[in-house]
Amino acid sequence: GQNIDQPTEMTATEGAIVQINCTYQTSGFNGLFWYQQHAGEAPTFLSYNVLDGLEEKGRFSSFLSRSKGYSYLLLKELQMKDSASYLCAVKNSGGYQKVTFGTGTKLQVIP
Amino acid sequence: SQTIHQWPATLVQPVGSPLSLECTVEGTSNPNLYWYRQAAGRGLQLLFYSVGIGQISSEVPQNLSASRPQDRQFILSSKKLLLSDSGFYLCAWSVPGGYNSPLHFGNGTRLTVT
Repeated sequence: GQNIDQPTEMTATEGAIVQINCTYQTSGFNGLFWYQQHAGEAPTFLSYNVLDGLEEKGRFSSFLSRSKGYSYLLLKELQMKDSASYLCAVKNSGGYQKVTFGTGTKLQVIP
Repeated sequence: SQTIHQWPATLVQPVGSPLSLECTVEGTSNPNLYWYRQAAGRGLQLLFYSVGIGQISSEVPQNLSASRPQDRQFILSSKKLLLSDSGFYLCAWSVPGGYNSPLHFGNGTRLTVT
């Protein structure tokens, strides 16, 4: 089975940097996704990591350590529009490529 | 380019009534298809996934069922809705065998069972 843990809520200040952590346990690992979900909307894809290290995409970066079962999403230069839930999801290995989501971290950006 | 359509956007149904939600994908062949449900304040729960026509895997035993009558069509059904079926239902697709293929979500259906 799979177990994914993220903090439930976080608050950060506009212009600052915030790191959202995710730990996972899985029987077969084939990558980790981060999604952003604004209230009442569908999730949108942010990043994918399958190898150890940091992937950078503009203001957003994602890090993975497979040996530790750990990932984080780093958001720089926070903007008010970044207030949303951030979902960590693990893709398992095997033919069905099942993707399991954590419960998400609700980020509130304050002025 | 690929697009995913999901309808209806909002649905209010009485307890005991049937349900049919439809999802179609355009611009790709033989996609992996998924149905997720998100209850209020909860995470995304995988309900069903499919790797091909007529191939459905169920993750959570409940009064819902799924079918894939065509390559790019995925249907979620129920014969009799329960109050606990209320939630935000999301259809998604991904490239089969794609090394880093993410899930692409439809806009979702918000179902309220009264």
